[in-house]
Amino acid sequence: TQLLEQSPQFLSIQEGENLTVYCNSSSVFSSLQWYRQEPGEGPVLLVTVVTGGEVKKLKRLTFQFGDARKDSSLHITAAQPGDTGLYLCAGAEDNYGQNFVFGPGTRLSVLP
Amino acid sequence: EAQVTQNPRYLITVTGKKLTVTCSQNMNHEYMSWYRQDPGLGLRQIYYSMNVEVTDKGDVPEGYKVSRKEKRNFPLILESPSPNQTSLYFCASSFTSGARQYFGPGTRLTVT
Repeated sequence: TQLLEQSPQFLSIQEGENLTVYCNSSSVFSSLQWYRQEPGEGPVLLVTVVTGGEVKKLKRLTFQFGDARKDSSLHITAAQPGDTGLYLCAGAEDNYGQNFVFGPGTRLSVLP
Repeated sequence: EAQVTQNPRYLITVTGKKLTVTCSQNMNHEYMSWYRQDPGLGLRQIYYSMNVEVTDKGDVPEGYKVSRKEKRNFPLILESPSPNQTSLYFCASSFTSGARQYFGPGTRLTVT
């Protein structure tokens, strides 16, 4: 089973600051997903990236898939308290995506 | 409303007492999956199902059973629960494998 690492594990910032969280592996993934999970709820998909080097934007969130499809980053501009949550990345191990491997997550706290 | 439901949401039980956690989706999804979430380990896949009567082991299947007799339901069975199965469990479904996964609200299980 391929492994995903995420950094930092915890991040506490003030409202309005920018931040980047990382998702890394030594293995290649056919696609990679980012989820946000709020307390007491299941993860909710934010984005899926498929092509090496791909960049996707979702309002203030920018997602990038590494050229070699082994890593990804999530950048948040002007963070808001509503961005608080656990951010998970998940990689599809094969082209059929039968098995998703999840990273341990980055717990983000945005203080007003 | 499109959703994945799980029951119960909370369960405290004793070692060895068989239990079932139900999962149901109303989106006619083919692919369903069970995960457990533990601090620092992220989500780990227990079992998945590509369609009715088609199930396969994920990364941590020991001590669990599943069945897929109908498309909408995918129960998780613990025949003889042990304390190391204390965890937060999520059911997820998607149209096909590799597509966006929709997660249920989670079941917090404590085995004493």
